[in-house]
Amino acid sequence: DIVMTQSPDSLAVSLGERATIKCKSSQSVLYSSNNKNYLAWYQQKPGQSPKLLIYWASTRESGVPDRFSGSGSGTDFTLTISSLQAEDVAVYYCHQYHTTPLTFGGGTKVEIK
Amino acid sequence: QLRLVQSGPEVKKPGTSVKVSCKTSGFTFSNSAVQWVRQTRGQRLEWLGWIVVGSGKITYAQKFQGRVNITRDMSTSTAYMELSSLRSEDTAVYFCAAFLGSTGAHWGQGTQVTVSS
Repeated sequence: DIVMTQSPDSLAVSLGERATIKCKSSQSVLYSSNNKNYLAWYQQKPGQSPKLLIYWASTRESGVPDRFSGSGSGTDFTLTISSLQAEDVAVYYCHQYHTTPLTFGGGTKVEIK
Repeated sequence: QLRLVQSGPEVKKPGTSVKVSCKTSGFTFSNSAVQWVRQTRGQRLEWLGWIVVGSGKITYAQKFQGRVNITRDMSTSTAYMELSSLRSEDTAVYFCAAFLGSTGAHWGQGTQVTVSS
C-alpha cells in the first residue's frame, strides 16, 4: 500500500499569514502515461464532509479561492494557504488515487494563532 | 449541480449487516468511479473500496475483503455499500465519493453507522 505521511499534525497561524502543509507518499503517484500526479487535497470542516480543493497535485477545483495552491511531484507535495482567513480553520487531507488501495494522509489541523 | 445524497443514520447490533446508499445526480454516473471511505472519531480516513461504474469493476481494500459488498444501480444512478459481520470497531461515518475522470473526488454528506449491543 502507498503510505501518505502528512506534516505537521497541526499548526496555528495568524490571520493573513501563510500556512504550509507537507505530504509525502511512499511511492510515486505520477502517472507516466499523462504526466499527472494523482494527488488531491481536501478540506474538512467540523461536521462536514471533505471538500475537494486541489487535484493533479496543483490544479485548483472550480470555485476554490486562489489563496489555496498545491505543488510537488512524484512523492513530495505541498499545500499552501497564502493568507489564512478565519474560514480556513479545518483539517486538511492529502489523498493518492494512483494505486488501489487508495490512501489518505493522517490530516493536518489548521487553527488561528 | 453535482450531488451525492446518502441514506440516513443506522444503529446496528454486532454480527448484523448495514447497507448504505448514495444517490447521485448532476453528472454522468456511468462515467464515474465511486469510492467508499469511513472516518472514525479519530478522524483518520479509511478506504473500503470502489466501483468503476461503467465497467462494474470493483476493488476492495484487503482489510475488508469478504465483509464488504459494493454495487450500483445504473437505472437510478445510485451506489451501495454493504458491510457485514459488524463489530463495535465499525462504528464510524461512512462516505461515498465520486471521481469524475481523474480530477479528484466529490463527497456525499456521510452516514453515521453505530454498532452497539
